[in-house]
This record gives sequence, C-alpha cells and structure tokens, in this order.
Amino acid sequence: GDSVTQMEGPVTLSEEAFLTINCTYTATGYPSLFWYVQYPGEGLQLLLKATKADDKGSNKGFEATYRKETTSFHLEKGSVQVSDSAVYFCALSDHPGSARQLTFGSGTQLTVLP
Amino acid sequence: DAGVIQSPRHEVTEMGQEVTLRCKPISGHDYLFWYRQTMMRGLELLIYFNNNVPIDDSGMPEDRFSAKMPNASFSTLKIQPSEPRDSAVYFCASSSSGELFFGEGSRLTVL
Repeated sequence: GDSVTQMEGPVTLSEEAFLTINCTYTATGYPSLFWYVQYPGEGLQLLLKATKADDKGSNKGFEATYRKETTSFHLEKGSVQVSDSAVYFCALSDHPGSARQLTFGSGTQLTVLP
Repeated sequence: DAGVIQSPRHEVTEMGQEVTLRCKPISGHDYLFWYRQTMMRGLELLIYFNNNVPIDDSGMPEDRFSAKMPNASFSTLKIQPSEPRDSAVYFCASSSSGELFFGEGSRLTVL
C-alpha cells in the first residue's frame, strides 16, 4: 500500500538557517503530494502541494519539487524564522488532484531558535 | 467562514464511559474525514464520508468506535466503552474537491 517516510526529528535550527526536511514515498500510479504544517494547539494546514512530476509547490518561502525518479518531495526554505516552529507532515493522495484519503508521514518537529 | 468546528476541545473521562466527539464541517464541503493522532502511530484516517454517506471505515479500530453524519453540517464520532489506549487527539477535516481543512482537534484522555 501507499506510504510516506519522513526524516525523523526533532530538528533545531537557528534563525535564518537553511531548512531541508526529507520526504520519500511509495505509491502505485501517480499520486498528488502535499506538505501540511501544524502549529502548537492547532489543526493541520496545507502548506503546499504538487500534483504531477517535476511540479514545484511553494508558499511562505517554502518549496518542494515532485521528483518521480527518486520518489521524493523534500521541503526546503532558505531562511527560517522563529515563527516557522511547528510540526511538518508530508502526505500523498492517490486520487489525482484531490485530498481524499491522504496518507501522512510521521511528522517532523521543527524548532527555530532566535 | 468559521472553518471546521470541533467540540469538545478537551475531554477527560474514565475507562468504560461513552465519549462523543462532534464536528461541524465547512459549509458546502461534501467530504468529511475523522483522523486520530497519537505519538506512537501518527495521523491515522479512521473514516470518511461523501455527501453524508460513509465511504471507507476501514481505519476504525474496532466495534467500540462508530461515526455518523446525519446531515451535511454535523458529524459525530462515538467511542463506547472508552479505554485508556483511545487517548489521542481526534481531528475532523472537510473538503470539497481539493484542499483538506482541519479543525483544531479534540484531545481525549481516558483514565
């Protein structure tokens, strides 16, 4: 079945550092890929998405590129801020363009220190 | 729009008691999902509805769990009887055809 593997956390960075959170997936067909963010005490929010190979999703300075050849969707940000401290989830859906039946990774806790 | 609304935000109960969690999806969304989040197992999809009809309940852990959606604006997740291993944060989410919108979750503690 479908699965998502994320790098284990927690990740602690200083403000303005470069961020990479690795995500690889296993799926049949051509899934849509997502990154969600969960701030303390809140539900998950969609951060960015990509629906086909070589698509780049971007939002709030975060980027991720759908790499079919390496089955990866790594999250990057060039300069993190304290306000980026949260848990980040990689996810996939095998319903094209849809968020139905998302399969989530285990989440990566990010802490950014001032 | 107020977003997905869940209640209660926190529930502490004793083993054996019935627990009912409630969800109001975003108006106009035709998909509703119930997820459970724990440290050990991460985010798990329990069940989802389309147009108030349960489509996939294969994630419901056992018969103690049940979910209903009597109308487009309300859903419940019931646990009867509750057990300590049910302690988790339960999220409701709704969607039309794309992005999933999550509520703030109901944190359940079963003593």
